[in-house]
Amino acid sequence: NAGVTQTPKFRVLKTGQSMTLLCAQDMNHEYMYWYRQDPGMGLRLIHYSVGEGTTAKGEVPDGYNVSRLKKQNFLLGLESAAPSQTSVYFCASSSAGPYEQYFGPGTRLTVT
Amino acid sequence: KNEVEQSPQNLTAQEGEFITINCSYSVGISALHWLQQHPGGGIVSLFMLSSGKKKHGRLIATMNIQEKHSSLHITASHPRDSAVYICAVRGPGGSRLTFGEGTQLTVNP
Repeated sequence: NAGVTQTPKFRVLKTGQSMTLLCAQDMNHEYMYWYRQDPGMGLRLIHYSVGEGTTAKGEVPDGYNVSRLKKQNFLLGLESAAPSQTSVYFCASSSAGPYEQYFGPGTRLTVT
Repeated sequence: KNEVEQSPQNLTAQEGEFITINCSYSVGISALHWLQQHPGGGIVSLFMLSSGKKKHGRLIATMNIQEKHSSLHITASHPRDSAVYICAVRGPGGSRLTFGEGTQLTVNP
C-alpha cells in the first residue's frame, strides 16, 4: 500500500496564479484533512472531509477551496495565490474512529 | 495562550541519555496524540492515548487527565531519534486535532 500520497512535492507560483494540490489515500479512510505548517507554529487545519462529497472548514480556510468527489482523493485549490500562502502543506487521512491520522509526505509551496 | 503547550521547544542530548518532552493542554479532550516529524519532513504517529501509559520499544507515553498533561519519554536515546516531536489533542466527539508547536530534539553521538 502506498498510504497517503501528495502531488506535487514542490511548486513555485507567482502571486495571483492558481493551482491544485492532490491528495490520495489507499486505506479506504472516511476522513481526510489538509494542513499547513509554518515556522514557529503548529500544524493548522485548513479544510477537512468526513466522507465522499462532504467538506468542512478548519482553522484557516480563507483563500483555499477543497473537493472530495471520490473517497480516495481530496483536492486543495488555491484560486489566486498570495505570498502568505507560502508554506508546507500536509494531507492526512484517518478512519472514523480511532482517528489515528496518517500523513502524506508534504508539498512545499512558494508564492513569489 | 495556545490550547496545546509543549516544552522544551528545543532539546539537545548526548547519546544514551533519558529524554522527556512535556505537553500540557487547556481544554477537555478525548485523546492525545504524539507524532514524530523526521528531518526529511515526513510525519508519523507514535502514540494515541486517552489515559494511562503506553510503551513501544524505547518510547513511553504517559497521560495525566486530572493535570491535563502528557509526557513522552525516550530511553537510551540515539542520534536516529533526532526529530521534531509533536503533541496533538482531539476534542470530544470529533476527529479534528489541535497541535502543539513541536519540540526539536537533537541527539549527539
